[in-house]
Formats: sequence, structure tokens, C-alpha cells
Amino acid sequence: NAGVTQTPKFQVLKTGQSMTLQCAQDMNHEYMSWYRQDPGMGLRLIHYSVGAGITDQGEVPNGYNVSRSTTEDFPLRLLSAAPSQTSVYFCASSRSLTEAFFGQGTRLTVV
Amino acid sequence: SQQGEEDPQALSIQEGENATMNCSYKTSINNLQWYRQNSGRGLVHLILIRSNEREKHSGRLRVTLDTSKKSSSLLITASRAADTASYFCATDANFGNEKLTFGTGTRLTIIP
Repeated sequence: NAGVTQTPKFQVLKTGQSMTLQCAQDMNHEYMSWYRQDPGMGLRLIHYSVGAGITDQGEVPNGYNVSRSTTEDFPLRLLSAAPSQTSVYFCASSRSLTEAFFGQGTRLTVV
Repeated sequence: SQQGEEDPQALSIQEGENATMNCSYKTSINNLQWYRQNSGRGLVHLILIRSNEREKHSGRLRVTLDTSKKSSSLLITASRAADTASYFCATDANFGNEKLTFGTGTRLTIIP
């Protein structure tokens, strides 16, 4: 049972480039979320989904897009990377809003 | 702005002592959860307390919830070096938007 798998683990982007952070879970969870973690800021919610075909914005959605075409996958797209998006990104899933399972994170640097 | 805020931001204690950290939140909630994070890795769920509960235990963990003060505390008894980590509270509000929001965390260091 793999749980929540995030790829890549590390990424360096140039300003203006786009990329997709992948997140997959094999627990048939309805809820999936993306967070970013910055020093002293805790985890801030970017986007979340309560099921396939349904997504909504969190606290800091600007510059990011998501889609949820299947229960298993919830990719996060950076449209035009900016240095302010340098952060550690975490994907999480849960059956309801209890006991969320987290991926190991993607450390993104935008230069 | 974030729903939860932990206090203190950082805490250092000797191994064997008890560690207490607090969480305050802003809106009415369904549940409050505590998570642990080791060295930038993914968070791990520790314990959940429902809004109609006042205290819950799990091993060396004790969580209390005071909904009138919108606050919770996490007590770790007989601390061990392996408890060194960051601890976060998380809440889901009970007014319909189905999302889990986290506080800013407490960094706990256990000194051997």
C-alpha cells in the first residue's frame, strides 16, 4: 500500500517556466488537498477537492491550477513560476476530513 | 488567514519531562486534530478530538478541547528524544466548506 505518492521530490525552475506536481493516492479517498509550507508560516492550503470533478480554492490559490479527473490523481500546475513560489509542497488525502495522509513533499526552487 | 495558531512557537525540554503545546482557532469546528512532522517530511496524524469531546488520550498523548475558548492543548508525557518534531493542529470548520486548515506549528526539541 503506497499511500500518497508525490513526484518529483526536488525541482528547480526558472522564472516563467511552467510545471506540474504530481500526486496520486491508492486509498480511494474522496478528499485531496495541496498545501505549501514556508518557514514560520505553517501549512497554507492552495486548492482542495472533495471528489472527482470537484475542486475549490484554498487560502493561496493564485498562480496555481488543479484538476481532479480521477479519484486517485490530483495534479498541481504552476502556470508561470515566480520566486515567491519557492516552497515545499505537500499533497494530502483523507476519507473524510479526518486523519489526512501526506506525501513526502516536493521541494521547489524558482530562480 | 490561517485558522489555527500554536503556542509556543518553539519549546525545548529535557528528556523525561512533559511537553505542553496549545492551539487557538477562530471559527466553530467539527473536529480538531494534531499532527507531527519530522524534519520537513510529510505530516503524520496523531489524534483527533470531536467538538463534543473535552479530553482524549492515546498512549503518552493527552488532548483537551475547550470550544468556549476555541482552544486545544496537546500534552506529551515522559518525553523522548524521538518526540523531537514540529506539531500542528488542524481544524475543519462546521459551516460547510470542506477543507482542513492547519496552524503555524510548535517546534519541540527534546534534550537528551
